[in-house]
Amino acid sequence: SYVLTQPPSVSVAPGQTARITCGGNNIGSKSVHWYLQRPGQAPAVVVYDDSDRPSGIPERFSGSNSGNTATLTISRVEAGDEADYYCQVWDSRSDHPVVFGGGTKLTVL
Amino acid sequence: QVQLQESGPGLVKPSQTLSLTCSVSGGSINSGTYSWNWIRQPAGKGLEWIGRVYASGSSNYNPSLKSRVTMSVDTSKNQLSLNLSSVTAADAAVYYCARDIGTAMGYWFDPWGQGTLVIVSS
Repeated sequence: SYVLTQPPSVSVAPGQTARITCGGNNIGSKSVHWYLQRPGQAPAVVVYDDSDRPSGIPERFSGSNSGNTATLTISRVEAGDEADYYCQVWDSRSDHPVVFGGGTKLTVL
Repeated sequence: QVQLQESGPGLVKPSQTLSLTCSVSGGSINSGTYSWNWIRQPAGKGLEWIGRVYASGSSNYNPSLKSRVTMSVDTSKNQLSLNLSSVTAADAAVYYCARDIGTAMGYWFDPWGQGTLVIVSS
């Protein structure tokens, strides 16, 4: 089945830009979705279809996807952004259509 | 807006069957062409998709769990259910239900239930 690879951790100082990557074979041909998960809470989508934001998600969250890497970019990072982030794709040609990345812990220094 | 709420026993004995229910409020489980999904997360680990079920009753399961999983819907109660048989310690996790949303290009999950913790122990 399709595999998505994320770095286990990313650290950034407040006010700086965090970039969280999600690697996959020709992932640029798929739609990538990103979730934020705070401790003890369910995941919540912050970016869908590579770069769209649900209502209520700040413009500081943006996404891109090309080649073998998709990226979630968080600008002007705040302490409240500290969380686990997961990427996800839908592999329609697979009998295992839903694939999550392993998750990245964002630490705000 | 649609809200989901999982419920079920928090403790299951090894080799027994785990049974969970997800209640849907704020909308009908019959509306649209959504699928209703179960996703789990072992403590300190990542997310694992278990499978999905449609209001029609048709379903798809993660191949790694397929032999032990059954999902169903009760449209009269606006609920979906998950049964996972022959559980072991590896099945201990927080179990989430979630609705999918998207297009033919791809689907994502929104909303999610708050999750329910299942411990496997004798």
